[in-house]
Amino acid sequence: AQSVAQPEDQVNVAEGNPLTVKCTYSVSGNPYLFWYVQYPNRGLQFLLKYITGDNLVKGSYGFEAEFNKSQTSFHLKKPSALVSDSALYFCAVRVYRDDKIIFGKGTRLHILP
Amino acid sequence: EAGVAQSPRYKIIEKRQSVAFWCNPISGHATLYWYQQILGQGPKLLIQFQNNGVVDDSQLPKDRFSAERLKGVDSTLKIQPAKLEDSAVYLCASSLKDNTDTQYFGPGTRLTVL
Repeated sequence: AQSVAQPEDQVNVAEGNPLTVKCTYSVSGNPYLFWYVQYPNRGLQFLLKYITGDNLVKGSYGFEAEFNKSQTSFHLKKPSALVSDSALYFCAVRVYRDDKIIFGKGTRLHILP
Repeated sequence: EAGVAQSPRYKIIEKRQSVAFWCNPISGHATLYWYQQILGQGPKLLIQFQNNGVVDDSQLPKDRFSAERLKGVDSTLKIQPAKLEDSAVYLCASSLKDNTDTQYFGPGTRLTVL
C-alpha cells in the first residue's frame, strides 16, 4: 500500500538557522511529491512539487526539497529560518497512473526568535 | 484571481442530524476535491471529481456521505446522519487538470458534532 510518513510531530529551530522537515514515502511506482503549508485558521497552501527532472526543487518563500529515490525521501529545507515560517507542514504523494493522493500527518514547525 | 470559496466556515450540529457543505472552485479548474481533516491528522481524500464525473470516492463513507458536482462547477458534500466521529475540518480544493497540478485549498468548514 502507498504511504507517506512524516516522522517528526514537531521541529524546533532557532531563527536564522537552517531547517529540515522530513518526509519519506513508500509507493509501487514513480512518485509525484508535494509539500503544503497550513497557517493557523487558513487553508493549505502549496509550497513545491516534484514531478520529474532535477532532484532539487525550489518553491515558495525560499523553501526547497530534494527528491532522493534511493532513500525514498523528499525532505523540505530552508537555509535560514524565519519566525513567520512557523506553521504546520504536510508532505503528500501521488503515484503515476494512480489518481489517489495521500497526505502525511503533518509536522509542526516552531521557529524560535 | 479569486480563490476556492467554502461555506459555512463553522457548523455545530447534534448527532443524527444532517449537514451540507458548499464549495466553489477556482474558475476553469476541472478537478475538485473534498478532504476530511481530523484534528492532529493530515487531510484524507473523500472524493475527487474531474468536471462532473467521480474519479475516486474509495474513502467516502457512502452509507452517510454523499457529494455531487452538478454542471462541473460548484459542489456540495452532505452528511446524513452525522456521527460524533465526523467532527473535523472539511476542506475543498481544486486544480487545473488533475492531481499532478497544484491544488488550491479553500479555508475549510469546521464541523462539530455533539
